[in-house]
Amino acid sequence: SQQGEEDPQALSIQEGENATMNCSYKTSINNLQWYRQNSGRGLVHLILIRSNEREKHSGRLRVTLDTSKKSSSLLITASRAADTASYFCATDEAGNMLTFGGGTRLMVKP
Amino acid sequence: NAGVMQNPRHLVRRRGQEARLRCSPMKGHSHVYWYRQLPEEGLKFMVYLQKENIIDESGMPKERFSAEFPKEGPSILRIQQVVRGDSAAYFCASSPPTGASYEQYFGPGTRLTVT
Repeated sequence: SQQGEEDPQALSIQEGENATMNCSYKTSINNLQWYRQNSGRGLVHLILIRSNEREKHSGRLRVTLDTSKKSSSLLITASRAADTASYFCATDEAGNMLTFGGGTRLMVKP
Repeated sequence: NAGVMQNPRHLVRRRGQEARLRCSPMKGHSHVYWYRQLPEEGLKFMVYLQKENIIDESGMPKERFSAEFPKEGPSILRIQQVVRGDSAAYFCASSPPTGASYEQYFGPGTRLTVT
């Protein structure tokens, strides 16, 4: 299986609810990033968390990183219909490429 | 400062034809990465290039695919004799000369459809 696997694969919530997505990875990392992708569009960088950080906030986004469990979570608070998208985590291990997970498809119903 | 540019945004090719995808990195960026995204999947690394050099092509299929980043002009991802399985979105990213992999800025992608 691949580095950076998201869980759940799909998530459907009502507007105003919180959405939590998880990402697991297998090897040591320097950084972990979360991206958003609207259907048929490019990637939008959301947030980067370094391996020596445990939590980071950006607006309605909260990211945690647990290097002992090799996992990260992305929390979107007070979700909006416009948050409907796919969310990907990406890690950079040794080497220069980013390794992406399969994504969580979030649907926020108005 | 314009972002990463990719063209065309959509490309339709018949089986057996060639596809050429172009990527112009952000100004001042000398590192280019190509990723492929199959439907309903995440992005998969294909190749990492610096000007006139292929640094890492571990994600490139061994046949029919090639990439270049000449001294002048955009990076080109070339797919020869396309097959239906090549249908995907191809994303390019660029990073500054420091080459830190987390500093990758993504283009809007080229969606290739093989009929």
